[in-house]
Amino acid sequence: AQSVTQLDSHVSVSEGTPVLLRCNYSSSYSPSLFWYVQHPNKGLQLLLKYTSAATLVKGINGFEAEFKKSETSFHLTKPSAHMSDAAEYFCVVSPGGSQGNLIFGKGTKLSVKP
Amino acid sequence: DGGITQSPKYLFRKEGQNVTLSCEQNLNHDAMYWYRQDPGQGLRLIYYSQIVNDFQKGDIAEGYSVSREKKESFPLTVTSAQKNPTAFYLCASSLAKNSPLHFGNGTRLTVT
Repeated sequence: AQSVTQLDSHVSVSEGTPVLLRCNYSSSYSPSLFWYVQHPNKGLQLLLKYTSAATLVKGINGFEAEFKKSETSFHLTKPSAHMSDAAEYFCVVSPGGSQGNLIFGKGTKLSVKP
Repeated sequence: DGGITQSPKYLFRKEGQNVTLSCEQNLNHDAMYWYRQDPGQGLRLIYYSQIVNDFQKGDIAEGYSVSREKKESFPLTVTSAQKNPTAFYLCASSLAKNSPLHFGNGTRLTVT
């Protein structure tokens, strides 16, 4: 069975410092993985996706994520946080093809202090 | 600009009333979805549709109904049978099932 676990419900960083949001997944197949961002009272926006090409994926707004099969992880990083990065972030696993539905993590709320 | 429009943004209803949330897309996507979001629970799938005139139940379909009469439209009705309807509802679409999703800006429903 597929599952996704976001290891931190809340992360707080200072502006200009690195961001690390952790995600572990479980999948019987070669999964596709996504990160989405949600600002308050808005819909979700796709940050980046992994679909079995390069293991280091670059997304929008300076974010990137590395797929590590041996660790079943897909952590999201950014070298330097900006105030506008404050939002909730969701890690999502796709079971592949038409099998099952997308599985969302419970989200990590990122706070950025000035 | 292509996108997904959800309306209204805020909706208030009395307990026992059915209410319909609107979702329209002009992205020419085949697949459309309804999710429910509650604090600390992530997104849970209510219904999805991969093609006009066809839809399937998601993980929490009880107390909800949908229709897909047009490719562009996928309205969600929250019925009086839904025991805890107050939530943030998100509509999404994608080119195909399990492709990256495009989301609307949500409807916040409050039932008192």
